[in-house]
Amino acid sequence: GENVEQHPSTLSVQEGDSAVIKCTYSDSASNYFPWYKQELGKRPQLIIDIRSNVGEKKDQRIAVTLNKTAKHFSLHITETQPEDSAVYFCAASNTGTASKLTFGTGTRLQVTL
Amino acid sequence: NAGVTQTPKFQVLKTGQSMTLQCAQDMNHNSMYWYRQDPGMGLRLIYYSASEGTTDKGEVPNGYNVSRLNKREFSLRLESAAPSQTSVYFCASSVRGAPVNEKLFFGSGTQLSVL
Repeated sequence: GENVEQHPSTLSVQEGDSAVIKCTYSDSASNYFPWYKQELGKRPQLIIDIRSNVGEKKDQRIAVTLNKTAKHFSLHITETQPEDSAVYFCAASNTGTASKLTFGTGTRLQVTL
Repeated sequence: NAGVTQTPKFQVLKTGQSMTLQCAQDMNHNSMYWYRQDPGMGLRLIYYSASEGTTDKGEVPNGYNVSRLNKREFSLRLESAAPSQTSVYFCASSVRGAPVNEKLFFGSGTQLSVL
């Protein structure tokens, strides 16, 4: 089955700096890669996703890049703000859909003032 | 719209007791899921239902059963609870099949402790 590794497990940045979270996956057939944000005590929420036919996708301060050859994808957050503090999860699926997603173990991002 | 509603929010069980976690969505979604979240292990899929009348095992199905009662409701049952099932359980739903919208909508979670 799919294995998704996520690094780092914790990340602390100063407000305004950029943050990068990296994930690798094992199944070369994986074709759908979402990122979820979970604030403390809250439910996970989708922030961005990318499919295998696209190399990069942006949404305001958030971007995701995908390298199919190396089987890794990354989340980039620019101009970080205190409200970006949360746990971020990457995930992968070979169905092209949200079914049978395999999640990474999460990155706790702390944005300090 | 309430979105995805799951009950109860908290539950304490003794080893060997049984219980059912309830989940309902009012978004007319086809697919529903049960995940468990443990510290340092992310979200792991227990069971999912691609559509009404179908269920499939996920990554960690042992010790659980599910029922897709109708399009709205998807329940998770622990027949004989074990301490290893102490976790936070999330129900989720998605539209399925829509090429531009595969967002998982999560419930608020159930914190389960098995003593």
